[in-house]
Amino acid sequence: DVKVTQSSRYLVKRTGEKVFLECVQDMDHENMFWYRQDPGLGLRLIYFSYDVKMKEKGDIPEGYSVSREKKERFSLILESASTNQTSMYLCASRQGANTEAFFGQGTRLTVV
Amino acid sequence: GEDVEQSLFLSVREGDSSVINCTYTDSSSTYLYWYKQEPGAGLQLLTYIFSNMDMKQDQRLTVLLNKKDKHLSLRIADTQTGDSAIYFCAEDPGAGSYQLTFGKGTKLSVIP
Repeated sequence: DVKVTQSSRYLVKRTGEKVFLECVQDMDHENMFWYRQDPGLGLRLIYFSYDVKMKEKGDIPEGYSVSREKKERFSLILESASTNQTSMYLCASRQGANTEAFFGQGTRLTVV
Repeated sequence: GEDVEQSLFLSVREGDSSVINCTYTDSSSTYLYWYKQEPGAGLQLLTYIFSNMDMKQDQRLTVLLNKKDKHLSLRIADTQTGDSAIYFCAEDPGAGSYQLTFGKGTKLSVIP
């Protein structure tokens, strides 16, 4: 059974903390993605990576960074968490064009 | 740029048919997907259609594609309470593109 696994289902962090969200996939996919999901706004792409150590900004990269040191792992970093980063974060992976994207179960982050 | 549009809400009675509509703008899209997100979970692929098809049926699900109007629909027959979820339409631009373009999602509520 193929899987994308996010390290936490729920997180509560304080304003100003550095936050790491981890995502691991076991399908040997080239491409990995981080989205945030907010009511009425759908999925918004934060960053994606098309290869190890490669990254591209998505639509809303401000306040975030990413790391992809190994093919199977893609980390999202909030350098200094703020309350407007309270959201549901979804990781996805995909082999390439014309293929399905697989999603993790999501991490609901609350910044207080 | 590419944009995928869906209405945000749909409410139907149990046993009725549900029709969720989607319009897209990239005429070169190769595949179009429907994803389902149950409460508190990630997205799962429900079904897809290749761009050279007009219709695809899979048990209670029927996907219709009108390429001329760039219109995609998902019909769920005999809608059940377990079908309550958010449904996302997504287009795949094909070769050379890493990511899918998602609509904002339609929240389907099934009334018992």
